[in-house]
Amino acid sequence: GENVEQHPSTLSVQEGDSAVIKCTYSDSASNYFPWYKQELGKGPQLIIDIRSNVGEKKDQRIAVTLNKTAKHFSLHITETQPEDSAVYFCADDRGSTLGRLYFGRGTQLTVWP
Amino acid sequence: DGGITQSPKYLFRKEGQNVTLSCEQNLNHDAMYWYRQDPGQGLRLIYYSQIVNDFQKGDIAEGYSVSREKKESFPLTVTSAQKNPTAFYLCASSIADRTQFFGPGTRLTVL
Repeated sequence: GENVEQHPSTLSVQEGDSAVIKCTYSDSASNYFPWYKQELGKGPQLIIDIRSNVGEKKDQRIAVTLNKTAKHFSLHITETQPEDSAVYFCADDRGSTLGRLYFGRGTQLTVWP
Repeated sequence: DGGITQSPKYLFRKEGQNVTLSCEQNLNHDAMYWYRQDPGQGLRLIYYSQIVNDFQKGDIAEGYSVSREKKESFPLTVTSAQKNPTAFYLCASSIADRTQFFGPGTRLTVL
């Protein structure tokens, strides 16, 4: 099946504005949705995740929302800073019992000072 | 200092040569994974292992091989059968709740 769809592929915002990245999944069995941030030349770092038993989770300037009916989840970054510039990946697990994750293609976020 | 280490950071290989990428973790995680990353294509799963002495093919296993003789180690061999091996390779590990933690990556270039 298709991996999770992620949009947009690139996003440019002014420092202080908000940024939103959306992912759509297809498998109703999915119940784990992590978001990773990858800086140039480095490995991805988990920044926030959400499980299917909750609709929203927040950690300081970062939040994730999950709409199970529509099968999409979104990353929200408020008060963006230049150091938020990176590639962001979403993923889902398709209900896998083997620990597998299925990744989106990534969003290049650029925050202009 | 706990974490996942990958070595080397940069690796150059001549065509026709096999090369092995190292991945070690001291997080006591049972599961380990290898991904390949190419520009604009996200992360593609090569192999994964849930337990010592057992591993499964991912979506792009052709031309690669792995072993899992120790819980801490999951080396990846890129064989000469891999037609386009130049890429950024990422190793990850996880515990039962499926949260995966990634290493710093190895950039492989075929000359």
